[in-house]
Amino acid sequence: DAGVIQSPRHEVTEMGQEVTLRCKPISGHNSLFWYRQTMMRGLELLIYFNNNVPIDDSGMPEDRFSAKMPNASFSTLKIQPSEPRDSAVYFCASSAFSGDTDTQYFGPGTRLTVL
Amino acid sequence: AQSVTQPDIHITVSEGASLELRCNYSYGATPYLFWYVQSPGQGLQLLLKYFSGDTLVQGIKGFEAEFKRSQSSFNLRKPSVHWSDAAEYFCAVGTNYGGSQGNLIFGKGTKLSVKP
Repeated sequence: DAGVIQSPRHEVTEMGQEVTLRCKPISGHNSLFWYRQTMMRGLELLIYFNNNVPIDDSGMPEDRFSAKMPNASFSTLKIQPSEPRDSAVYFCASSAFSGDTDTQYFGPGTRLTVL
Repeated sequence: AQSVTQPDIHITVSEGASLELRCNYSYGATPYLFWYVQSPGQGLQLLLKYFSGDTLVQGIKGFEAEFKRSQSSFNLRKPSVHWSDAAEYFCAVGTNYGGSQGNLIFGKGTKLSVKP
């Protein structure tokens, strides 16, 4: 299995630009999670989907952030317009519900730098 | 509200020495508990998890953790540390598990350095 795939691995952009992060979950998994990791705040859940439906987006910082999951094998996290305080590592994770063994598997992350 | 506390921000141990990383959680129901490891520039890798049953859980790379309900703790241990164990370790509690739902609340992490 290829694991969770994220692209790009690194993104450098200028303030005000639109940024799109992409994630391909593990095949067969039905839950997908987007996290943000910063030195100050650690790992924070932004949003998670179950069967392609957003379940909890309370962690999305503001309206500049949006996430979609058009099908079971693809999700995007978009920031528009980007700001320097959005600089962080963004992780995608997926899981497959089977009884109570709902373990999340993480992708390698996208390191975003907003200048 | 659910929370996870890792009291030690940074720990240094000598290679071959034993290791214990502390984790305390706050959760109203029976918790689902996890330990993940993150090497520099990498994603998070699952070390072990506790859902129910035996309170001593074995994981990969020789790690184990013990769930102690009375102390609300889930400490990670390894009897002999290797230089390759140098990384950051995260404890997490799973919430709303069941019915294909669930998210993780992470601690702030403990960075482990290993002296030769």
